[in-house]
Amino acid sequence: EVQLVESGEVLAQPGESLRISCSASGFSFSKYVMYWVRQAPGKGLEYVSGISDNGGSTNYVDSLKARFTISRDNSKNKLYLQMNSLRPEDTALYYCVKGSGGSLRGACDIWGQGTMVAVSA
Amino acid sequence: QSVLTQPPSVSGAPRQRVTISCSGSSSNIGNNAVNWYQQLPGKAPKLLIYYDDLLPSGVSDRVSGSRFGTSASLAISGLQSADEADYYCATWDDSLKRQVFGGGTKLTVL
Repeated sequence: EVQLVESGEVLAQPGESLRISCSASGFSFSKYVMYWVRQAPGKGLEYVSGISDNGGSTNYVDSLKARFTISRDNSKNKLYLQMNSLRPEDTALYYCVKGSGGSLRGACDIWGQGTMVAVSA
Repeated sequence: QSVLTQPPSVSGAPRQRVTISCSGSSSNIGNNAVNWYQQLPGKAPKLLIYYDDLLPSGVSDRVSGSRFGTSASLAISGLQSADEADYYCATWDDSLKRQVFGGGTKLTVL
């Protein structure tokens, strides 16, 4: 069974940094692009970042490019999102998402359950 | 403000057919396939339609998708209470060089 399991709920203060992770199983992780998509409470889906199968290519929503970094470790089947200088508006459920193939243009075919990141003083 | 525009809400009676529109531009829908996602209350999103009109395994054939010009549509026929959810369209944007999502449409079954 294909599974994406994100790290647990996190509470951070404004200005802090943290890294969330996602463990993948049930598929050949190194052959698929991966994404992070977030959803603020009561709001819609927002694309955060994507990474190619070998990690050589990444993209971000412009508003987060300077503070967030996506990475992956194919030897551990893990996806990461490093988040710096956190702001209250970063409070959201962060979904780890599997791409349908090797292109960042493809569909998001498997979604994790999400990890809640709350930023508050 | 989302790059792709969806109506905030739609509704329909049981057994009726509803459509949800998704409007974009030449840099996204006009040049790239559209995918649709269903998010049931309190759940993670699920891929509903990919590559404009293809159904993933396990998705009911009451669902269909289409794309024409810079717009796309999702149709659900034979409405059931289980279809109550938020629906999102998404595609690649050639200018932004990333995926973009619509703002989402809440479907209510009356």
